[in-house]
Amino acid sequence: GAGVSQSPSNKVTEKGKDVELRCDPISGHTALYWYRQSLGQGLEFLIYFQGNSAPDKSGLPSDRFSAERTGGSVSTLTIQRTQQEDSAVYLCASSSWREGNEQFFGPGTRLTVL
Amino acid sequence: RKEVEQDPGPFNVPEGATVAFNCTYSNSASQSFFWYRQDCRKEPKLLMSVYSSGNEDGRFTAQLNRASQYISLLIRDSKLSDSATYLCVVNSKGGSYIPTFGRGTSLIVHP
Repeated sequence: GAGVSQSPSNKVTEKGKDVELRCDPISGHTALYWYRQSLGQGLEFLIYFQGNSAPDKSGLPSDRFSAERTGGSVSTLTIQRTQQEDSAVYLCASSSWREGNEQFFGPGTRLTVL
Repeated sequence: RKEVEQDPGPFNVPEGATVAFNCTYSNSASQSFFWYRQDCRKEPKLLMSVYSSGNEDGRFTAQLNRASQYISLLIRDSKLSDSATYLCVVNSKGGSYIPTFGRGTSLIVHP
């Protein structure tokens, strides 16, 4: 079946602009995670959804970052007033307890803030 | 102490060598453990889960030591294609399964 998809694959924006990143998880996966990864660095946890609710938002780096999930499926990560330090690859993953909580990752969105 | 720690490497080994990585974790309540592989500029992909009894998949063996709070990954007969970053992942249930990723161990297998 289809894996996790993310769009856009690449996004170049100017400092101060807002961006919206989209994640389509695997059908039936109730858990959805957002991470970001800077060049040569590890994965930084941002936010986790169980269904439509976000029990853990502790990783969001500032109030410029927000995320929502609707219908227990698609999620969007919004970054307002982007800064150059927001440049990174934003990865989405989904999982299901029926599959042992293995996380399946999307290909990521590479965000570049000029 | 970081929640999940890995030696970043790089581990530079010749083809055919056996190499082992360890990963330590700080939360004794951690319940599930995984090794992921990440190729350059690609997303992480599951390599194998780590079970209490240890598990083997071809040339790869994973083990869990709860007493000392570490997991290990052993790769036998290394191939050039094994070159990648290996990420240790620990899930701790605190009302939900929030995975914690290590920063990864880089492996370079050379001819």
